Amino acid sequence: DQQVKQNSPSLSVQEGRISILNCDYTNSMFDYFLWYKKYPAEGPTFLISISSIKDKNEDGRFTVFLNKSAKHLSLHIVPSQPGDSAVYFCATQRGGSEKLVFGKGTKLTVNP
Amino acid sequence: GAGVSQSPSNKVTEKGKDVELRCDPISGHTALYWYRQSLGQGLEFLIYFQGNSAPDKSGLPSDRFSAERTGGSVSTLTIQRTQQEDSAVYLCASSLDSGVKTQYFGPGTRLLVL
Repeated sequence: DQQVKQNSPSLSVQEGRISILNCDYTNSMFDYFLWYKKYPAEGPTFLISISSIKDKNEDGRFTVFLNKSAKHLSLHIVPSQPGDSAVYFCATQRGGSEKLVFGKGTKLTVNP
Repeated sequence: GAGVSQSPSNKVTEKGKDVELRCDPISGHTALYWYRQSLGQGLEFLIYFQGNSAPDKSGLPSDRFSAERTGGSVSTLTIQRTQQEDSAVYLCASSLDSGVKTQYFGPGTRLLVL
């Protein structure tokens, strides 16, 4: 049973517009959330994270929002750039556990 | 500085053979993780090493899988009697300390079992 779900396998947006990637989780014990970006033939690269004590974290063009009551987080990229085209993985971590639990990923394509 | 490195980058083997996958973590990182990504799936946790503590093997899918970490640095993941369902990308990650959440990944080893 999937504990972390990324329901959109793919997303296509125009350059300059906002990209919104969504992630839902089932385990309320998860208290740390991360987004990773993955290019083909490369390992995932850490992008941004958020602790459960916060509801928003911003880093440049990237903002992660956390809605604990809905067990939902989202990644906003604005403005989107063609170089952002990659697969984005949502990952979660439970306090006391070192392992990351990943979603299946969303492939983002930013069209010039 | 150098990131996490893994070797080989690709491995093709026949069903029933044993394979060894190697991971060199970032220098100074005490925590090391193995994950695998099967086609169309997310990353699946396999095993975690932290310093001299006993590893967390809770993610290993069967007793054909084992891993070692020698000298607190390099790690080897061994798959015995490989099966076709073992075909996946095997990813290694390291982090500076277990209290620091960010894990840095290597490029992975693409394993194909024929």
